[in-house]
Amino acid sequence: GAVVSQHPSWVICKSGTSVKIECRSLDFQATTMFWYRQFPKQSLMLMATSNEGSKATYEQGVEKDKFLINHASLTLSTLTVTSAHPEDSSFYICSARDRNSGANVLTFGAGSRLTVL
Amino acid sequence: AQKITQTQPGMFVQEKEAVTLDCTYDTSDQSYGLFWYKQPSSGEMIFLIYQGSYDEQNATEGRYSLNFQKARKSANLVISASQLGDSAMYFCAMNPTGAGGTSYGKLTFGQGTILTVHP
Repeated sequence: GAVVSQHPSWVICKSGTSVKIECRSLDFQATTMFWYRQFPKQSLMLMATSNEGSKATYEQGVEKDKFLINHASLTLSTLTVTSAHPEDSSFYICSARDRNSGANVLTFGAGSRLTVL
Repeated sequence: AQKITQTQPGMFVQEKEAVTLDCTYDTSDQSYGLFWYKQPSSGEMIFLIYQGSYDEQNATEGRYSLNFQKARKSANLVISASQLGDSAMYFCAMNPTGAGGTSYGKLTFGQGTILTVHP
């Protein structure tokens, strides 16, 4: 089945530094990937839609200069949290859909847990 | 805009019994898809079942079935013969779909229900 790999699975960084999270589709091509954020015991909130070869589309209230998204190939999207602060600590998870599949199934990565000290 | 409501913060069930997790939704879209995902403590999102708004039959996937009542805007998940490994957070989600039911992937999630299966 379709597999999405996310790396790193967890990261701890100092306040003010930038952190990059990768979302990679291993066995399929994805023209579109989605980035979600989840605080403990809460729901997933869509942050942005990552489009291969073009600019990402951000949801209302999400700072595009804070959360940089790059989708340079059909199998890789990256989310960079710039100048991270403790309030950015969260679980970030991506999803992707096989562009060649007619199935309505979205595959999620295993998530990346960010802790900003 | 779409909205998903899961009114059960937590549910308990005895092993081998069936359990129903509630989900109601609100949308102005004519065509939409409804999903259920399981999230264990490890954090990964595991796809369980999908129901298209134009599907006439309720979706089933093994021990999972979706009780879809369109007029009531509800999409409850039924887990039969619960197992200890079913203990997890369960999310109901939806997204608009275009002609032909193609999923656009922008999911709106409910608040989730924590299911605990007792031996």
